[in-house]
Amino acid sequence: AQKITQTQPGMFVQEKEAVTLDCTYDTSDPSYGLFWYKQPSSGEMIFLIYQGSYDQQNATEGRYSLNFQKARKSANLVISASQLGDSAMYFCAMREGMDSSYKLIFGSGTRLLVRP
Amino acid sequence: NAGVMQNPRHLVRRRGQEARLRCSPMKGHSHVYWYRQLPEEGLKFMVYLQKENIIDESGMPKERFSAEFPKEGPSILRIQQVVRGDSAAYFCASSPPNRGDTEAFFGQGTRLTVV
Repeated sequence: AQKITQTQPGMFVQEKEAVTLDCTYDTSDPSYGLFWYKQPSSGEMIFLIYQGSYDQQNATEGRYSLNFQKARKSANLVISASQLGDSAMYFCAMREGMDSSYKLIFGSGTRLLVRP
Repeated sequence: NAGVMQNPRHLVRRRGQEARLRCSPMKGHSHVYWYRQLPEEGLKFMVYLQKENIIDESGMPKERFSAEFPKEGPSILRIQQVVRGDSAAYFCASSPPNRGDTEAFFGQGTRLTVV
């Protein structure tokens, strides 16, 4: 069963506008972590933001915020004030359990294109 | 503080040859993870290693693939008798021990092309 679902294969956004990338997950473990990574055309995986299942507040990192809705099992990434350099693939990932293992389950990704 | 180093960045092998991919974790990191990314897909977990131990290899194909993380030196992902379907990007990530609340750091990946 697919545990991470990203339903938007591709998205467009106008420069300087905000965009939301969707991510839903499925797990029976009460302890889990959710990650977003950016993969530009150069191929490297860039960590953006992390949300723990017990975190009371939504995570934020600069222009990135995570809209964490636990009851709906969604962890959408919000990018504010989009920049041309934000054009990339974005992956949502989950780690079940809170031990030191980084066995991550990745979604299929969303390709974001920022228009000038 | 150097990041996770993978080499080579690009590797071309003919069908039937062996591919060796290397990963040096960040300083102070003793946990290494290998992932494979097929074209237009997300990363898939392959194996989790600590020094001299394979902790979880549930994502490794049963044949031709092996991984090690010796006491000294980098972690190696070895693919024997490569086939066209092995063409993919292989990523290594590392993490410190006993930290469940932070990210794993990824290397830049090795892009394997089997011709």
